[in-house]
Amino acid sequence: DSGVTQTPKHLITATGQRVTLRCSPRSGDLSVYWYQQSLDQGLQFLIHYYNGEERAKGNILERFSAQQFPDLHSELNLSSLELGDSALYFCASSVGTGYNEQFFGPGTRLTVL
Amino acid sequence: GQQLNQSPQSMFIQEGEDVSMNCTSSSIFNTWLWYKQDPGEGPVLLIALYKAGELTSNGRLTAQFGITRKDSFLNISASIPSDVGIYFCAGLMNYGGSQGNLIFGKGTKLSVKP
Repeated sequence: DSGVTQTPKHLITATGQRVTLRCSPRSGDLSVYWYQQSLDQGLQFLIHYYNGEERAKGNILERFSAQQFPDLHSELNLSSLELGDSALYFCASSVGTGYNEQFFGPGTRLTVL
Repeated sequence: GQQLNQSPQSMFIQEGEDVSMNCTSSSIFNTWLWYKQDPGEGPVLLIALYKAGELTSNGRLTAQFGITRKDSFLNISASIPSDVGIYFCAGLMNYGGSQGNLIFGKGTKLSVKP
């Protein structure tokens, strides 16, 4: 158990819908990172927040957005869902801003039908 | 966009054998990371490399940051059944601004026969 929690564990929805994935970082961690893992694209970095502010952006689609709240939990919002958005979405957290300090959560498996 | 070519895609080895895998890119990275992912779990960082030519060990694992900064290697010595999983390399470039971007390889799936 990494100490990072993600909810829900599984999510099944339809094309065109909007969903919100939630991540609670380890106690004391200020950074939250979001990743997408799919069969065809592999593991992709989406976005990084540190203490409520966006620090780095990767291959995140415009239909996706994220935020980190004052209590440091983070939400990833996915809208106008397409079949190709079906994937595992991981959150990771770290104390500082170093990728080498990250601990990954168990992931949320999103299935778009 | 940037791509990392990770090879081999999969390996089937006997317990006790040594394992080698590598990642190459046409782009230069300033950090290389190696992760292991077990089924149903998130990746776990194994080794981080920060300088060209750097060689770092973590138990039976050894990783190297290539001199050209465009490649990295991971070796596992004397493999054991719990080494089974998917190993990912990742390269980090231009971190420090708003465009810090971690690029992952497609993974090497390791199977170990007892």
